[in-house]
Amino acid sequence: GESVGLHLPTLSVQEGDNSIINCAYSNSASDYFIWYKQESGKGPQFIIDIRSNMDKRQGQRVTVLLNKTVKHLSLQIAATQPGDSAVYFCAETFGGSYIPTFGRGTSLIVHP
Amino acid sequence: NAGVTQTPKFRILKIGQSMTLQCTQDMNHNYMYWYRQDPGMGLKLIYYSVGAGITDKGEVPNGYNVSRSTTEDFPLRLELAAPSQTSVYFCASSRQGANTGELFFGEGSRLTVL
Repeated sequence: GESVGLHLPTLSVQEGDNSIINCAYSNSASDYFIWYKQESGKGPQFIIDIRSNMDKRQGQRVTVLLNKTVKHLSLQIAATQPGDSAVYFCAETFGGSYIPTFGRGTSLIVHP
Repeated sequence: NAGVTQTPKFRILKIGQSMTLQCTQDMNHNYMYWYRQDPGMGLKLIYYSVGAGITDKGEVPNGYNVSRSTTEDFPLRLELAAPSQTSVYFCASSRQGANTGELFFGEGSRLTVL
């Protein structure tokens, strides 16, 4: 399940399940969004991006959905694997600046 | 290619000491960034640079300084270390003008101020 508190929101899933990580972004003028994955002790790594003129984009095992009406972004991971365990951040930019503002992050824990 | 390289990986400072976190990238990226990451939080932008000789403040610049004399290097200076600067610092770079805003991050520098 998902929990929010003083610690990072956490999503626990079983290996093979599909995972959905949610992000509420803050700026209605944001026009470009990126999802990053951060493994323990490492820097964030790019997963997938989407522009505001799209509402869905697919990559390898990942799909990003954008709902501009409610300023909501989600990352769907198909057939989640233990190697997907990490913290996932959404980031937004606006005005073509490409200088991102990061969300707080969600910790994904995949149980074998 | 090494990508983005940060040094040191770990450092302990006493209150009031100064130090410089080094960052270099070998991808010929024009944009470079410094973020800090506190436990359980996202990344906060400290400073960024859009090219050699040009720097600008981010969300949390107080207590830090930067310079960008070359395309490759973007050092972050802490002049009078305070416990509030205990954090993990990430340097990143990106190539503006490409059809992507992907940032490439270093491995991070963990700083403790006692």
